[in-house]
Amino acid sequence: DAGVTQSPTHLIKTRGQQVTLRCSPKSGHDTVSWYQQALGQGPQFIFQYYEEEERQRGNFPDRFSGHQFPNYSSELNVNALLLGDSALYLCASSSKTDSSGNTIYFGEGSWLTVV
Amino acid sequence: DQQVKQNSPSLSVQEGRISILNCDYTNSMFDYFLWYKKYPAEGPTFLISISSIKDKNEDGRFTVFLNKSAKHLSLHIVPSQPGDSAVYFCAASARGAQKLVFGQGTRLTINP
Repeated sequence: DAGVTQSPTHLIKTRGQQVTLRCSPKSGHDTVSWYQQALGQGPQFIFQYYEEEERQRGNFPDRFSGHQFPNYSSELNVNALLLGDSALYLCASSSKTDSSGNTIYFGEGSWLTVV
Repeated sequence: DQQVKQNSPSLSVQEGRISILNCDYTNSMFDYFLWYKKYPAEGPTFLISISSIKDKNEDGRFTVFLNKSAKHLSLHIVPSQPGDSAVYFCAASARGAQKLVFGQGTRLTINP
């Protein structure tokens, strides 16, 4: 049973460019959340997708957008990249029917470096 | 606005001794608290959790204590083992939200 898978693992982009990160949730999960973890900080919630719609959003600008597909996989898009967007982007999957946090599974993350 | 705080960036403990990691929160709406462990190049993995209706939860070598009046929780690891060396994150959520608010993390090093 594959867990949460993310791609790409590492990537380097130039300021002003756009990036798309991808996530496949754990089998049986229908909810995908994205987090940004800057160096030396804890993960910060970006947004959450369920039933192909954004359900919750953290304090991130509109440059950050996402999408969820019918198979529950998700994409995170960041436009007009800034140096400060350099971070580890984590995808977390869960089931909407389970409100406890101990069934939230994280992927290994995508390391984004903006130069 | 840091709603969950881990004030110790690092902690060094001798193997076999107790490790105590601390976490404070400010939002009284939080009713579920979790600890995650993170190794380099891996995503956070769930360690242990506690609901606000409890003040203690134990799982093997790991125990989490919750003091709601002080808005404080702690993770005790005893005995500490070299494999426990990792970054530990405290996280909180309001039940049903499935949105986690994380602390900054504490890097735990267990010395042989």
